Amino acid sequence: KQEVTQIPAALSVPEGENLVLNCSFTDSAIYNLQWFRQDPGKGLTSLLLIQSSQREQTSGRLNASLDKSSGRSTLYIAASQPGDSATYLCALNTDKLIFGTGTRLQVFP
Amino acid sequence: GAVVSQHPSRVICKSGTSVKIECRSLDFQATTMFWYRQFPKQSLMLMATSNEGSKATYEQGVEKDKFLINHASLTLSTLTVTSAHPEDSSFYICSAGGGTGMNEQYFGPGTRLTVT
Repeated sequence: KQEVTQIPAALSVPEGENLVLNCSFTDSAIYNLQWFRQDPGKGLTSLLLIQSSQREQTSGRLNASLDKSSGRSTLYIAASQPGDSATYLCALNTDKLIFGTGTRLQVFP
Repeated sequence: GAVVSQHPSRVICKSGTSVKIECRSLDFQATTMFWYRQFPKQSLMLMATSNEGSKATYEQGVEKDKFLINHASLTLSTLTVTSAHPEDSSFYICSAGGGTGMNEQYFGPGTRLTVT
């Protein structure tokens, strides 16, 4: 059974810091991996999708990497801003999405 | 990007009543739609997968007779919570497969259900 864990569970940092959010999984047989952002009481916003054959994807200040051999993905957020405050979820696609436990991020001015 | 809508965004109902939630893909045809439930401060849990024109596939532990799913067209799926109880209070989110990107899913804004 695929298990997806995210570390840390919560993170509070001053703005401007570079951040690394971690996602680990137990089964490397995946189609792709997605990182999402969820604001309180809201739905999901897709940030990055990494196909199984890819190693990383970048969008603006966000960079996500995928290492299937070690069962890990990281989301790197450069120069964090208060507007980045949200819960970040990784999800593995194995015909259906299996979500991680989430990292609650707070960036304060 | 692909847009998925949900209606209503928020609903309050009394115990024993039924509530229907709609999920629509607005600018693409979705052969597959997914329904998730999210309890406070927890992650999303897949409830069921619905394919247009066929019966939904439910995840283990999800009562199919309680959570009725209909996917009658390529742009609409509905989730009906029957005989709702307070423990059914949750955030329900749908997603739709299709559009650009292999296997990428696009998520609706969610529906907050409160059963009193």
